[in-house]
Amino acid sequence: DTAVSQTPKYLVTQMGNDKSIKCEQNLGHDTMYWYKQDSKKFLKIMFSYNNKELIINETVPNRFSPKSPDKAHLNLHINSLELGDSAVYFCASSPWPSGRAEQYFGPGTRLTVT
Amino acid sequence: QKEVEQDPGPLSVPEGAIVSLNCTYSNSAFQYFMWYRQYSRKGPELLMYTYSSGNKEDGRFTAQVDKSSKYISLFIRDSQPSDSATYLCAMSKGAGSYQLTFGKGTKLSVIP
Repeated sequence: DTAVSQTPKYLVTQMGNDKSIKCEQNLGHDTMYWYKQDSKKFLKIMFSYNNKELIINETVPNRFSPKSPDKAHLNLHINSLELGDSAVYFCASSPWPSGRAEQYFGPGTRLTVT
Repeated sequence: QKEVEQDPGPLSVPEGAIVSLNCTYSNSAFQYFMWYRQYSRKGPELLMYTYSSGNKEDGRFTAQVDKSSKYISLFIRDSQPSDSATYLCAMSKGAGSYQLTFGKGTKLSVIP
């Protein structure tokens, strides 16, 4: 049974379009995250949500907007896509604030903007 | 100075070798330390999780944390071709939302 799932796995779109990536976790965790992995494989936090409330909003353009309809889902909506948005986006979940810090990652969504 | 430094490699070893992977960090506030394995075009998979200083062993994998030196290691014994992947260290301050700060990853190849 998949713990953290993301859809779609691949996303190819043109500059200026708006797109969404969906994430779901069945681990019963309260906290979910979005990370961006660039072409050099560096993973960087973008957003963190705890029980549907935004906790972290790192220096991310406001074209990126996370939405959490419930604590098992965290979606990422991106407006006016730019070439530099091409990357792999990972969703993760964590049992925080239970006192454990480990995070479990989804398979990633490879976004290509042309 | 970056918060977490990790040699990107690549590191190539023969099958059966002992592999040593390392990270250094600058912020003494880090308390939780993790190692993730990432195969090509897959998500990071949690391998080892430790809190504070000390050693932890799980099968062929041993994680060590030395907080006084701000240095963490992952040892892989009897390495196998299936261990070929990128290994990422990650750490958390255990405050705020427990966000992880990652190293850049070390690409390991185990040659049969």
